[in-house]
Amino acid sequence: GNSVTQMEGPVTLSEEAFLTINCTYTATGYPSLFWYVQYPGEGLQLLLKATKADDKGSNKGFEATYRKETTSFHLEKGSVQVSDSAVYFCAHSMDTGRRALTFGSGTRLQVQP
Amino acid sequence: DTAVSQTPKYLVTQMGNDKSIKCEQNLGHDTMYWYKQDSKKFLKIMFSYNNKELIINETVPNRFSPKSPDKAHLNLHINSLELGDSAVYFCASSQDLRSNSPLHFGNGTRLTVT
Repeated sequence: GNSVTQMEGPVTLSEEAFLTINCTYTATGYPSLFWYVQYPGEGLQLLLKATKADDKGSNKGFEATYRKETTSFHLEKGSVQVSDSAVYFCAHSMDTGRRALTFGSGTRLQVQP
Repeated sequence: DTAVSQTPKYLVTQMGNDKSIKCEQNLGHDTMYWYKQDSKKFLKIMFSYNNKELIINETVPNRFSPKSPDKAHLNLHINSLELGDSAVYFCASSQDLRSNSPLHFGNGTRLTVT
């Protein structure tokens, strides 16, 4: 089946630390991959996406590379800020005509000053 | 202007009541969705509509009934509310059904059933 697995949180980092949140997926074809961010009390916002193998999505200093060989889409940022504290969701979507995003369970990031 | 707006933001009600949540998008998108987020933040698709046609109807009790009067609106009606229905419900829209078309989410409706 189609699923997304991401590392459990919370992830607690000091400001300016390097961030990695792991995400792997299973899919019967070649999905599009997404990272969404949810700030407290808000809906999800698209952070970045990649639609084919070896594509790199980037936004606001965050990056993720679509790795078909390892079925992964790990999120990275070189230097986190307190304002990055949020819940991050990895997701994928297939061209099946019934498509809806399948989300991972979310990873809470807490950045301390 | 808010792209995807849903009302109310908070909904507190008693078991057995019937309630509705409304959603509107002004992005000109063809596809709309309802997701349920539980207390552990897990997101699960409930329904999706494309151009007012029901596309996805996941394993959801038939107490939940979506209605799409036009492609800019997707409302969710819930009958005979139960304690387990307490969650945050998110409306979302996308340009179309293509897999690379990202979803745009509303800010959620926190439903508390007492």
